[in-house]
Amino acid sequence: DIQMTQSPSTLSTSVGDRVTITCRASQNISTWLAWYQQKPGKAPNLLIYKASKLESGVPSRFSGSGSGTEFTLTISNLQPDDFATYYCQQYDSSSPTFGQGTKVEVK
Amino acid sequence: EVQLVQSGTEVKKPGESLKISCRGSGYTFDDHWIAWVRQRPGKGLEWMGVIYPGDSDAKYSPSFQGQVTISADKSISAAYLQWSGLKASDTAMYYCARPASGHTSSFDYWGQGTLVTVSS
Repeated sequence: DIQMTQSPSTLSTSVGDRVTITCRASQNISTWLAWYQQKPGKAPNLLIYKASKLESGVPSRFSGSGSGTEFTLTISNLQPDDFATYYCQQYDSSSPTFGQGTKVEVK
Repeated sequence: EVQLVQSGTEVKKPGESLKISCRGSGYTFDDHWIAWVRQRPGKGLEWMGVIYPGDSDAKYSPSFQGQVTISADKSISAAYLQWSGLKASDTAMYYCARPASGHTSSFDYWGQGTLVTVSS
């Protein structure tokens, strides 16, 4: 399996801040990477696919970048609705795998 | 509007069998793979496997191969996840999700989740 490692595990931040979450793959996955937001008791919601493509309906303050083994999710001008847990997911292999998650919490 | 609607909460005892469902609507169910994802309490997401309802071709994560069975009934636009002998470690929320394209992809639509609790 391809291992996905996110950092940090928890991010304490404030409304209006710029937030960056990193995801590293254990091997080259090109740009076959997605990012999800999950709120407590809810299903994950797709934000970014193919490393940098914004899913329809997702606010433009979310952006993704990277290729190969290192990727970032950036949230510019953090909004109250953005406090949640974020997961990366690789889909380069026939068994997709997720990172362990990054919780964005109120400072 | 694409929707995936899952069956309700289950409480089972160890050793019991269980089959949970995921029904799709708003798109051609036969033409898209459906995956199952596990989330244990307070933990991350784990891809379990995927099925193509058109011909019931199923693929499993090595971690779940032999532990669960994924099936589908295209006549009623439903996919299923089944256990023959539940364990306490199967306690989790289970989501069905639709890969955006092919069998390995980002997941653009998700069910609401089915909570399975296994306890004596």
